[in-house]
Amino acid sequence: QQQVKQSPQSLIVQKGGISIINCAYENTAFDYFPWYQQFPGKGPALLIAIRPDVSEKKEGRFTISFNKSAKQFSLHIMDSQPGDSATYFCAASLGVGSNYQLIWGAGTKLIIKP
Amino acid sequence: DSGVTQTPKHLITATGQRVTLRCSPRSGDLSVYWYQQSLDQGLQFLIQYYNGEERAKGNILERFSAQQFPDLHSELNLSSLELGDSALYFCASSASLGAHYEQYFGPGTRLTVT
Repeated sequence: QQQVKQSPQSLIVQKGGISIINCAYENTAFDYFPWYQQFPGKGPALLIAIRPDVSEKKEGRFTISFNKSAKQFSLHIMDSQPGDSATYFCAASLGVGSNYQLIWGAGTKLIIKP
Repeated sequence: DSGVTQTPKHLITATGQRVTLRCSPRSGDLSVYWYQQSLDQGLQFLIQYYNGEERAKGNILERFSAQQFPDLHSELNLSSLELGDSALYFCASSASLGAHYEQYFGPGTRLTVT
């Protein structure tokens, strides 16, 4: 119940296309859903995050879509560029009492072909 | 630059040895997290400290230990090293427990055990 399932494991998209990465969860107590971007040899960096009471959040070319009833959320990268090639991790935040956890998805390796 | 520093950048050591990885969080951040990332793998949460106290434990081996000092820097000690311990070790920090979904990662320490 504490897992976050991320798919696909890897994704190849043509330059200018839309990249879509999906995540699913079970625990309805999760209170924040961040996405992290990691370039090879670097640490992950927070990209965008959404609360479960919001259905969509957009920052530039990056959009999180959130479906509370389906317990799913996804990252859309519009007009994908070669510079977007990276590994993307979704996560789910749990803060109950004094117990705070961030549950990570397994990651998606995105390659944007020029 | 996330503001989180990690030393050393690279570490090569032999099986059976002990090493210490060091992390300085962003100025003002009270929480420190340690992660292990093996080649092309996801992030494995090891342990979290908040203001000097251990708050959460993940898949941390008994051969590994950590601490957070009064100046908030943290050290991860790895002992009786095995070949399988070769990985990238990341430290991350967040401002508070409530902001634990917003973690800032350091550049990592690449550990190679030969």
